[in-house]
Amino acid sequence: SAVISQKPSRDICQRGTSLTIQCQVDSQVTMMFWYRQQPGQSLTLIATANQGSEATYESGFVIDKFPISRPNLTFSTLTVSNMSPEDSSIYLCSVASQGFGYGYTFGSGTRLTVV
Amino acid sequence: GIQVEQSPPDLILQEGANSTLRCNFSDSVNNLQWFHQNPWGQLINLFYIPSGTKQNGRLSATTVATERYSLLYISSSQTTDSGVYFCAVAETSGSRLTFGEGTQLTVNP
Repeated sequence: SAVISQKPSRDICQRGTSLTIQCQVDSQVTMMFWYRQQPGQSLTLIATANQGSEATYESGFVIDKFPISRPNLTFSTLTVSNMSPEDSSIYLCSVASQGFGYGYTFGSGTRLTVV
Repeated sequence: GIQVEQSPPDLILQEGANSTLRCNFSDSVNNLQWFHQNPWGQLINLFYIPSGTKQNGRLSATTVATERYSLLYISSSQTTDSGVYFCAVAETSGSRLTFGEGTQLTVNP
């Protein structure tokens, strides 16, 4: 299955600033997914990122707040813009493994605290 | 979209006890996975199991796709099994995963 390197693992940020999260995959993948997990809750999909096209955002998430880049088939970034304390969450990227029988793989997550 | 329900929401066990976690889903799925989220927030993939039965050490899982449910069995539980267990499904190959609300498991020594 694919291996994902996600950075940073955690950060504490001031409100009003932005943070960019990076995910590097060890193999080429068509789609990458970005999730948010608010404290004590389940994972919610933010957007799906295809290489060479604009990301597709889920209801309640907008590009101005969560811009995504996907410059090639192994890399993607998610930016959390103009942060407020409500953005404090764990953010995770995910890919569908190319081999059969492995399902989806997740990065190790970015624990963001906004103060 | 597809709905995923997990039960129980919380479970407290003594070390050595066995447990069964359940996941119900509302439509046919191409992918079903069980994850364990550790206290550091990492999601550990336990099983990829859209149908059938698998075992890995003290853990096993069974998915009955025709009846739209999956079960995760934990035997001889250990304190390190504590954490949140998520069931997640995808309707088609490569499509988004939808997560259940999770089961918070606490194993006391």
